[in-house]
Amino acid sequence: DVKVTQSSRYLVKRTGEKVFLECVQDMDHENMFWYRQDPGLGLRLIYFSYDVKMKEKGDIPEGYSVSREKKERFSLILESASTNQTSMYLCASSPIDRGNQPQHFGDGTRLSIL
Amino acid sequence: GIQVEQSPPDLILQEGANSTLRCNFSDSVNNLQWFHQNPWGQLINLFYIPSGTKQNGRLSATTVATERYSLLYISSSQTTDSGVYFCAVEQGYSSASKIIFGSGTRLSIRP
Repeated sequence: DVKVTQSSRYLVKRTGEKVFLECVQDMDHENMFWYRQDPGLGLRLIYFSYDVKMKEKGDIPEGYSVSREKKERFSLILESASTNQTSMYLCASSPIDRGNQPQHFGDGTRLSIL
Repeated sequence: GIQVEQSPPDLILQEGANSTLRCNFSDSVNNLQWFHQNPWGQLINLFYIPSGTKQNGRLSATTVATERYSLLYISSSQTTDSGVYFCAVEQGYSSASKIIFGSGTRLSIRP
């Protein structure tokens, strides 16, 4: 069974801090994704990566960066956290040849910026 | 870009009732998924259903791609069915094509 693991379920940080959210998948998937979820807005794509060291902007990349140094790990970085980045963050992965396979999601990280 | 609309936004039912959740999308899509996010935030894949009908226990889903909508049916609902249900669609044939989510339907099942 596919396992997508996010490093923290809950995280509290202060405004201006640099924040790292880590995501690891164990199924050798090429594609990895970071979303944020806000009430009434659903899930919105921040960044995705289709290979090591490759990244593409999603719909709301401002204020975020990502790192994919190894295939199994995709990190989301908040360079200087702000209160409007308080949200639920979800990581997902999928294989390059998806066929009938869906994306697989981690349990989410609920981030609060004070 | 493509718009994904879910209805109703909120639904409150008594345990044992049936429900139908709807997802409309504004353009042709290659893939469509239904997810359930439980009250603890965990997102679970329910169906991967670009067209046709699938069933899994008390849940079933139908997508009519030509008419650009999908329906999720929940029968004999239980309190554990509570949470937010998301529809997500995908366009394009790229292996990393974007997935667009609707804003969700919040389902509350009362005992």
